[in-house]
Amino acid sequence: GAGVSQSPSNKVTEKGKDVELRCDPISGHTALYWYRQSLGQGLEFLIYFQGNSAPDKSGLPSDRFSAERTGGSVSTLTIQRTQQEDSAVYLCASSLSGTGEPNQPQHFGDGTRLSIL
Amino acid sequence: AQSVTQLGSHVSVSEGALVLLRCNYSSSVPPYLFWYVQYPNQGLQLLLKYTSAATLVKGINGFEAEFKKSETSFHLTKPSAHMSDAAEYFCAVSAHNQGGKLIFGQGTELSVKP
Repeated sequence: GAGVSQSPSNKVTEKGKDVELRCDPISGHTALYWYRQSLGQGLEFLIYFQGNSAPDKSGLPSDRFSAERTGGSVSTLTIQRTQQEDSAVYLCASSLSGTGEPNQPQHFGDGTRLSIL
Repeated sequence: AQSVTQLGSHVSVSEGALVLLRCNYSSSVPPYLFWYVQYPNQGLQLLLKYTSAATLVKGINGFEAEFKKSETSFHLTKPSAHMSDAAEYFCAVSAHNQGGKLIFGQGTELSVKP
């Protein structure tokens, strides 16, 4: 079946602009995660959605970052007033449930490469 | 709090040689441990996972890892490297009480020489 789909695959924008990144998880997966991969910081957890529960936003680096998940499926990560340090690859992952158990591992999309000029 | 340390940001081996990628973890609760591989311009692919059922875990592409609680380690090995193994490898930990979010090591880039 289809894997995790992210769009766009690449995004170049000017500093100060807002951007939206989209993630389509695997059908039936109730848990969805966003991570950021950058040269300086490696792979960092950003935010996690599990069903209808309140999201875990503990990894969001600033209030310019927000995310929502509509209908328990598609998620959008929004970055407002982008800064150069926001340049990174943003990865989305989904799993059957958000327990972290090894028999329900996370499946990753290919990411969105964001470049801020 | 949990953390992962991968020793060696870059490892180079010859084709056919043993691959050993080191990972040490810190966790205040019994951890779940994973190894992921990332090829250029792609997302992460799960290699193997520690389920607590067995300390020696076998994964895809001939990789395996051994969980050693006394050493807080989960090193990744492969007896004979292949050119196609060249990629970046990430060790990750999660906890059952933290919603499954993964804490990653810094990654190890594996190069395979012909």
